[in-house]
Amino acid sequence: QVYLVESGGTLVKPGGSLRLSCAGSGFNFSDYYMSWIRQAPGRGLEWVSYITSSSSAMYYADSVKGRFTISRDNAKNSLFLEMNSLTAEDTAVYFCARGGFRYRFDYWGQGSLVTVSS
Amino acid sequence: EIVLTQSPGTLSVSAGEGTTLSCRASESVTGNYLAWYQQKPGQAPRLLLFGASRRAADIPDRFSGSGSGTDFTLTISSLEPEDSAIYYCQQYGSSRSLTFGGGTKVEIK
Repeated sequence: QVYLVESGGTLVKPGGSLRLSCAGSGFNFSDYYMSWIRQAPGRGLEWVSYITSSSSAMYYADSVKGRFTISRDNAKNSLFLEMNSLTAEDTAVYFCARGGFRYRFDYWGQGSLVTVSS
Repeated sequence: EIVLTQSPGTLSVSAGEGTTLSCRASESVTGNYLAWYQQKPGQAPRLLLFGASRRAADIPDRFSGSGSGTDFTLTISSLEPEDSAIYYCQQYGSSRSLTFGGGTKVEIK
């Protein structure tokens, strides 16, 4: 059974930084592209970033480019999202998901809430 | 980036009836890399269909998808009460930007 479990979400002040983690299990983590998707309260889904299986390439939505960094540690079956210069517009539930370019998001974590507020 | 426009915004349908949701892309979706997801309140999205028409594991056959290029549809043939949810389309054929539609909310009368 495939599991993805996010952690690290919390309340952070505007301008602050935060690192989210996602632990994968039940599949060969290093074989798959992985992504972060977010959902602001009462809003739709927004793709944030994806990383290739070997970390050879990363892509970002324009709304987070230059502020967020995606990374992974295949030895630890883990995905990360480093978020800097946070604003209220970054307040959302952040989901990690298996998939990316040319691969659907077939498994999702339960989400981690990030709240940016003073 | 490819913009996906879903219509209608909200549907109210009686149980047992069928309905069709639309997803229109601003440019052709490469390889029909188009997926549909179902999301219920407080839950993560669930994959329903991928490749425009292929059902994901354990998805009932009352869900079907069709379309190509810029126009795609999700059809639910006979609505069950548990189908009340928001449905999103998503394209994953553009390497630099993966995008979601704005969603269609389906309410069961």
